[in-house]
Amino acid sequence: DTEVTQTPKHLVMGMTNKKSLKCEQHMGHRAMYWYKQKAKKPPELMFVYSYEKLSINESVPSRFSPECPNSSLLNLHLHALQPEDSALYLCASSPQRGVYNEQFFGPGTRLTVL
Amino acid sequence: DQQVKQNSPSLSVQEGRISILNCDYTNSMFDYFLWYKKYPAEGPTFLISISSIKDKNEDGRFTVFLNKSAKHLSLHIVPSQPGDSAVYFCAASGTGTASKLTFGTGTRLQVTL
Repeated sequence: DTEVTQTPKHLVMGMTNKKSLKCEQHMGHRAMYWYKQKAKKPPELMFVYSYEKLSINESVPSRFSPECPNSSLLNLHLHALQPEDSALYLCASSPQRGVYNEQFFGPGTRLTVL
Repeated sequence: DQQVKQNSPSLSVQEGRISILNCDYTNSMFDYFLWYKKYPAEGPTFLISISSIKDKNEDGRFTVFLNKSAKHLSLHIVPSQPGDSAVYFCAASGTGTASKLTFGTGTRLQVTL
């Protein structure tokens, strides 16, 4: 299994809702990432987990809450989002953190906040 | 502060010809560079990478060239095929960057028949 899967593909939520994005990989990778991508922009790193521990938080607002329940799963819990948080949310994984860092991306979740 | 730049937002090339996508970087701590390809509504797909100890890496139709002194890299696709039409991102990482990937702004490649 050489892919990263993400669910759901699309999500529409109101500003008072609580929802979660899910990411899964079965490649034995020990580093997992959340990125946010707005239209016509490059992916922007949000969080990095290494060996199931949060190692980087790129000053992301607390309305985004990551969780890594085990080495294959990564969740992003969403609460009280703003319309400007609408974007494509990408999950990625790599064998481990390090300079030689080929990350493998999932297809993304297209999030719309109303 | 855009540390990785792709100055051409778009490029159109005829099928069978060479596509050359360019990328410049400013951070001298970067020593590993990657190219990703992205189709609409999909995540980026890893294409090819190069470390700073090399100046060229080849994989099938894709070749990446690195000019460290100019802080410039390029991706050559030969021959170009219609299925290569996508947005191409270059990315960089290095010691001192906490192994984060910094992406360029992307170049949209259109391969025409």
